[in-house]
Amino acid sequence: DAGVIQSPRHEVTEMGQEVTLRCKPISGHDYLFWYRQTMMRGLELLIYFNNNVPIDDSGMPEDRFSAKMPNASFSTLKIQPSEPRDSAVYFCASSFAGTTGNTIYFGEGSWLTVV
Amino acid sequence: AQRVTQPEKLLSVFKGAPVELKCNYSYSGSPELFWYVQYSRQRLQLLLRHISRESIKGFTADLNKGETSFHLKKPFAQEEDSAMYYCALSSNNNDMRFGAGTRLTVKP
Repeated sequence: DAGVIQSPRHEVTEMGQEVTLRCKPISGHDYLFWYRQTMMRGLELLIYFNNNVPIDDSGMPEDRFSAKMPNASFSTLKIQPSEPRDSAVYFCASSFAGTTGNTIYFGEGSWLTVV
Repeated sequence: AQRVTQPEKLLSVFKGAPVELKCNYSYSGSPELFWYVQYSRQRLQLLLRHISRESIKGFTADLNKGETSFHLKKPFAQEEDSAMYYCALSSNNNDMRFGAGTRLTVKP
């Protein structure tokens, strides 16, 4: 398996534009996580899914953020409209609850810059 | 709700010196604790987990339920250990929450 795949790797966009980040989890994994990494706050859990169903979205900053998982192999994180303070690295990760210790595997991240 | 605290954002030691990265947690249930590492320009990867009681790259971490801590230790730091280290806690809901991270720099 190629691991968790995220796209785009880098995006620069203007304030007010819509941003869509994409994620393909590892095949067979039943949990998918979206994290945001910043210097100030470290790694924040935004939302996570189990079997394509959102379980906890309390980490989503505000209504401008939304996430979907239409099937087991694809998820999106959308920011509309984007703001400069949204600039961060966004990580997608997946795991399989059946494994001992519930190890999660990360994608390489999407580096977002909003100007 | 669970919380993970890493009190040090930055930690700098000399090569060969012992290193300890602190992690404290709060959780009412039975937690699973992990350390993840992010080397420069690489994705986050699992370093070790408390249930395995393993030593990886010379690092160990012991879960102390009395002190609610899971500090990461290595007796002799190496330059290649320089990285960002995150302590993480998984709850009964199978989520995974991370501390703010500690950037370790090992100087020659």
